[in-house]
Amino acid sequence: GAVVSQHPSWVICKSGTSVKIECRSLDFQATTMFWYRQFPKQSLMLMATSNEGSKATYEQGVEKDKFLINHASLTLSTLTVTSAHPEDSSFYICSRTRTDTQYFGPGTRLTVL
Amino acid sequence: KQEVTQIPAALSVPEGENLVLNCSFTDSAIYNLQWFRQDPGKGLTSLLLIQSSQREQTSGRLNASLDKSSGRSTLYIAASQPGDSATYLCAVLAASGSRLTFGEGTQLTVNP
Repeated sequence: GAVVSQHPSWVICKSGTSVKIECRSLDFQATTMFWYRQFPKQSLMLMATSNEGSKATYEQGVEKDKFLINHASLTLSTLTVTSAHPEDSSFYICSRTRTDTQYFGPGTRLTVL
Repeated sequence: KQEVTQIPAALSVPEGENLVLNCSFTDSAIYNLQWFRQDPGKGLTSLLLIQSSQREQTSGRLNASLDKSSGRSTLYIAASQPGDSATYLCAVLAASGSRLTFGEGTQLTVNP
């Protein structure tokens, strides 16, 4: 069964609003979780590494003030897309690692109108 | 900087064929390599993981090989089925606990 869940699975919002995506590790306490973004017909690009109890580590070119990550517990990491714009429309996927195998959530499809 | 390349980008085969997907990486100092399957609009499903010390892994009709020195991995799918249609991604892990670097994927279509 699924070991990583995401909510919501899809969301449509107006430009300028903020959207929160939740990622839960269902079977394992994960001190580290990863957030990826995937544009149509492209591969996954790592956005940031979410660390429980400390600040996230962002990849080069990813705006930390726009993509807020909170990893408040060992089973939950959230990604908030602030003041979303149409160019933020994408597929957002989280993952967590156990024994160096990454397990991915089902993804969240964000469409910004 | 690690770069991962997958060839071909797309592949269409008739049902029943055996096929090979290729993955190459530029930095041979990897910790492991993982093959994933992604269905349209879905997340990733891990298929096989090969540790750097291993040469191959098998699961059912799938066999993945790793030649670390040459920076290559192949995913062999035997007796392909329409249900195998998906995008296959390979990814390498540089070190334990570090980030995965993904290839662009191979979009596979198996025709009935």
